[in-house]
Amino acid sequence: ETGVTQSPTHLIKTRGQQVTLRCSSQSGHNTVSWYQQALGQGPQFIFQYYREEENGRGNFPPRFSGLQFPNYSSELNVNALELDDSALYLCASRGQGIDTQYFGPGTRLTVL
Amino acid sequence: QQQVKQSPQSLIVQKGGISIINCAYENTAFDYFPWYQQFPGKGPALLIAIRPDVSEKKEGRFTISFNKSAKQFSLHIMDSQPGDSATYFCAASMQGNTPLVFGKGTRLSVIA
Repeated sequence: ETGVTQSPTHLIKTRGQQVTLRCSSQSGHNTVSWYQQALGQGPQFIFQYYREEENGRGNFPPRFSGLQFPNYSSELNVNALELDDSALYLCASRGQGIDTQYFGPGTRLTVL
Repeated sequence: QQQVKQSPQSLIVQKGGISIINCAYENTAFDYFPWYQQFPGKGPALLIAIRPDVSEKKEGRFTISFNKSAKQFSLHIMDSQPGDSATYFCAASMQGNTPLVFGKGTRLSVIA
């Protein structure tokens, strides 16, 4: 176990709705990254937060947004859900200046 | 543009055999190369990682071979076991708290 937890485990939404996913990082880790993993693909970087500020973003539209809290936990928000948003959403945390990222178990989002 | 290319897409190996998965990268600024193992319904788990200043790293039955001039690296699983059956991802990142870029994954099946 990595110490990174995510909730909920599974989620079913309909197109156009909004969703919030949550992540609790490993103790002492101040950097959190979110990845989207479509079925049969490798994880794709969405964005990263360091000390409550976004400091990197992948090729995802603005309807994907996030937050990091003072305890380093994080949220991923997706507005106006589309069918292609169906995927496993992974949160990863790491300590300052450390390359190794530790992943949580993910949240499986299904958009109908 | 796929920055990390992984092959093969799937692999079947006899129990006790050697599993070999290859990756090639394009960006010479990459300087950290981890391998992750992912079981169905779980998040990726770090297996082993290497930096370009060494050509090989071994941890138990897992070995990374790294060829900087060819921009290639590979994972060797010695004495493969049915419990090794999973999807394996290579990844790469640059210095400075940057995100991971993943390959598309290799589904390994170890048969008795």
